[in-house]
Amino acid sequence: SQKIEQNSEALNIQEGKTATLTCNYTNYSPAYLQWYRQDPGRGPVFLLLIRENEKEKRKERLKVTFDTTLKQSLFHITASQPADSATYLCALNTGGFKTIFGAGTRLFVKA
Amino acid sequence: DAGVIQSPRHEVTEMGQEVTLRCKLISGHNSLFWYRQTMMRGLELLIYFNNNVPIDDSGMPEDRFSAKMPNASFSTLKIQPSEPRDSAVYFCASSQGQGSAGELFFGEGSRLTVL
Repeated sequence: SQKIEQNSEALNIQEGKTATLTCNYTNYSPAYLQWYRQDPGRGPVFLLLIRENEKEKRKERLKVTFDTTLKQSLFHITASQPADSATYLCALNTGGFKTIFGAGTRLFVKA
Repeated sequence: DAGVIQSPRHEVTEMGQEVTLRCKLISGHNSLFWYRQTMMRGLELLIYFNNNVPIDDSGMPEDRFSAKMPNASFSTLKIQPSEPRDSAVYFCASSQGQGSAGELFFGEGSRLTVL
């Protein structure tokens, strides 16, 4: 069956460290993969998109990698700050414009 | 631009009642998505439209759910009759569709509680 897996356990890190979140998928061949941020009581907000022919994408303190052989994406936040605390969602394009989401990983950055 | 606008933000109703959730797309966007989010199941895609036409409604739970897009900027999601298990946050999202990078713009959601 088709699955998107994100670490369901919350990730707790110290301010200034690099946070690394993982997204694994099975039985998909997505044309692109996206990462979103969701704060409590709010809708998800787009962060980054990476295409199947790209290995890495960066935006300010954010970096995403995409390994279509391993069927895995890693999402990094460098020099993390308490304001980065949120839930981060991985999303796959599964054909046409259809986009499905993983369950998300909660990140807590302690000052 | 005001972004994707959803209403109501909160709805509390009793089992058996009809619920209508509304969504206004960002001007110029031509793809519209309805998602439902719960703690147990995360963010589930219910249905999506492109150019006002429903493309994939395989995520719609059952016949009690229906969605329409009467014009290019507005959509409704209706549940009739509602049941307690329908309690969730319902999100609407839009994108530029063809030629876009696929980025979705979400509304703030409609939190539905069915008693």
